[in-house]
Amino acid sequence: AQTVTQSQPEMSVQEAETVTLSCTYDTSENNYYLFWYKQPPSRQMILVIRQEAYKQQNATENRFSVNFQKAAKSFSLKISDSQLGDTAMYFCAFMPFSGGGADGLTFGKGTHLIIQP
Amino acid sequence: SAVISQKPSRDICQRGTSLTIQCQVDSQVTMMFWYRQQPGQSLTLIATANQGSEATYESGFVIDKFPISRPNLTFSTLTVSNMSPEDSSIYLCSVRTEYEQYFGPGTRLTVT
Repeated sequence: AQTVTQSQPEMSVQEAETVTLSCTYDTSENNYYLFWYKQPPSRQMILVIRQEAYKQQNATENRFSVNFQKAAKSFSLKISDSQLGDTAMYFCAFMPFSGGGADGLTFGKGTHLIIQP
Repeated sequence: SAVISQKPSRDICQRGTSLTIQCQVDSQVTMMFWYRQQPGQSLTLIATANQGSEATYESGFVIDKFPISRPNLTFSTLTVSNMSPEDSSIYLCSVRTEYEQYFGPGTRLTVT
């Protein structure tokens, strides 16, 4: 079994600042995926970014980037030039690599990010 | 990606009754998943539904309480049976592509 830990229940930054959300995980798997999901008040889960464990290069999607440290089992999300619309719950999630695709996601408890105007 | 819809979007139910939640996907998928999000909490996997076979339930969830149907590759239902106030949650279905999982908009259930 795997666990995902997000140690920051809430963070608040000013608009246009850079913010980093932390996530650590524990697993005995060697091949897996890591994700950050955003859940605004509408409650829709939105995929922000994906990282494959076998890739050393950190994933980047526009203003969102990750710092993936496989040996340390750390997976942080950096949001640059933060915007008011980034205000949401952010969940870190783990998914094993499985040829049958039968594995669901294990989520952290989430970080409530507030972008102040 | 995949476009996923759920019905109903929300409901208020009396204890002891049952509610069936529908999940429709715009493309054929092998696996569908059902999650529960209790108030102020993270998401917890309830079960995995593979077309043509019995659903696989996670620890703490049983078929009698959360029966699931998966009649074809684009549709699934989750029933919350004999509801109690502790079942008040958001229930989300999701589908897995090769690399990612996508979620429906969720069903907000309140049990009184």
